[in-house]
Amino acid sequence: SQKIEQNSEALNIQEGKTATLTCNYTNYSPAYLQWYRQDPGRGPVFLLLIRENEKEKRKERLKVTFDTTLKQSLFHITASQPADSATYLCALEGGGNKLTFGTGTQLKVEL
Amino acid sequence: GAVVSQHPSRVICKSGTSVKIECRSLDFQATTMFWYRQFPKQSLMLMATSNEGSKATYEQGVEKDKFLINHASLTLSTLTVTSAHPEDSSFYICSARDFEGAGEKLFFGSGTQLSVL
Repeated sequence: SQKIEQNSEALNIQEGKTATLTCNYTNYSPAYLQWYRQDPGRGPVFLLLIRENEKEKRKERLKVTFDTTLKQSLFHITASQPADSATYLCALEGGGNKLTFGTGTQLKVEL
Repeated sequence: GAVVSQHPSRVICKSGTSVKIECRSLDFQATTMFWYRQFPKQSLMLMATSNEGSKATYEQGVEKDKFLINHASLTLSTLTVTSAHPEDSSFYICSARDFEGAGEKLFFGSGTQLSVL
């Protein structure tokens, strides 16, 4: 069956460090993978999209990698700030123009 | 960017009543909208795909008579939870793709927290 796995344990890091979040998937052949940010009690907000033929994508302090052989995406936040504290979701197209989301990883950036 | 407005943000109702949630695309036309449900500390689960002018497509295990979806215009989709029970208490979120479905990313509403007493 299709699975999208993200580390369910919260990630606590110190301000200024780089946060790295992992998304692994099985039984998908996605044309692209997306990352979203979700704050408590709010809907997710789109951050980045990376296509299957792209190894890496950057946007300001964010960097996403996509390894279709390992079936894994890594999401990095450099120079992390307390305002980056949120839950980060990866999402894949599962067919039928529908996005399927991982369980998300909660990031806490401490002073 | 595209804006999706969802209303109300929070509802508390008695068991047995029906609750309607509205989802509007404010600056674009959305032929397709998606309704998700999210329990605490869990991922978003797709409930149904709402298609303008036609019947919604429900995911496996989602009762279509329980969760009525109407997509009467290109900018409005509604989800009605009929005869709500405590187990229906959850966070409901709608979303739409930008530019009439041609874009790949989703824009989400702010969500509706439903609490059934």
